[in-house]
Amino acid sequence: EDQVTQSPEALRLQEGESSSLNCSYTVSGLRGLFWYRQDPGKGPEFLFTLYSAGEEKEKERLKATLTKKESFLHITAPKPEDSATYLCAVGDSNYQLIWGAGTKLIIKP
Amino acid sequence: DSGVTQTPKHLITATGQRVTLRCSPRSGDLSVYWYQQSLDQGLQFLIQYYNGEERAKGNILERFSAQQFPDLHSELNLSSLELGDSALYFCASSAGGSFNEKLFFGSGTQLSVL
Repeated sequence: EDQVTQSPEALRLQEGESSSLNCSYTVSGLRGLFWYRQDPGKGPEFLFTLYSAGEEKEKERLKATLTKKESFLHITAPKPEDSATYLCAVGDSNYQLIWGAGTKLIIKP
Repeated sequence: DSGVTQTPKHLITATGQRVTLRCSPRSGDLSVYWYQQSLDQGLQFLIQYYNGEERAKGNILERFSAQQFPDLHSELNLSSLELGDSALYFCASSAGGSFNEKLFFGSGTQLSVL
């Protein structure tokens, strides 16, 4: 069964303290891996799409990487405004997106 | 602002009732997706419409139905509501019909079934 697992469930960091969020997946025939950010009371907002192992994408303090089994979202020197829930989704061979449960990131000033 | 509009923002109703959620996609987007998000199950794909026709179906219950109109807005109808249907319902849109495109989400409709 296709599955997406995100870890940790929650992460508290001090402002400026870099870290990584993990998204591991088991799907037959990966058709893209997606990262979204969701703020409380709002819909998810698109961040990145990765399609093949070794691919990397960057946006401001965020960098997403992809291997054959997992993706990492690296956050460098985070600020309080980076606090949000980060969702990972994987496109599978049934042409559907499978979503992870998300990692709630809290950045303390 | 994603450009996707959902109404109403909040809906409170009783078990057994029927409700309609409405979504207007971003200008120019042909696909509309409906998702359900609850605390215990995360984001669950319900259904996708592309240019007025059903394109893909996810974990949508038989009590739920959707349609996309010629002006591309979409409605999600939920009937015979149960307590477990309480959740946040999101609409998303994308430019084309491919399932793995960048999605733009609305702010959601919070449904409370009492």
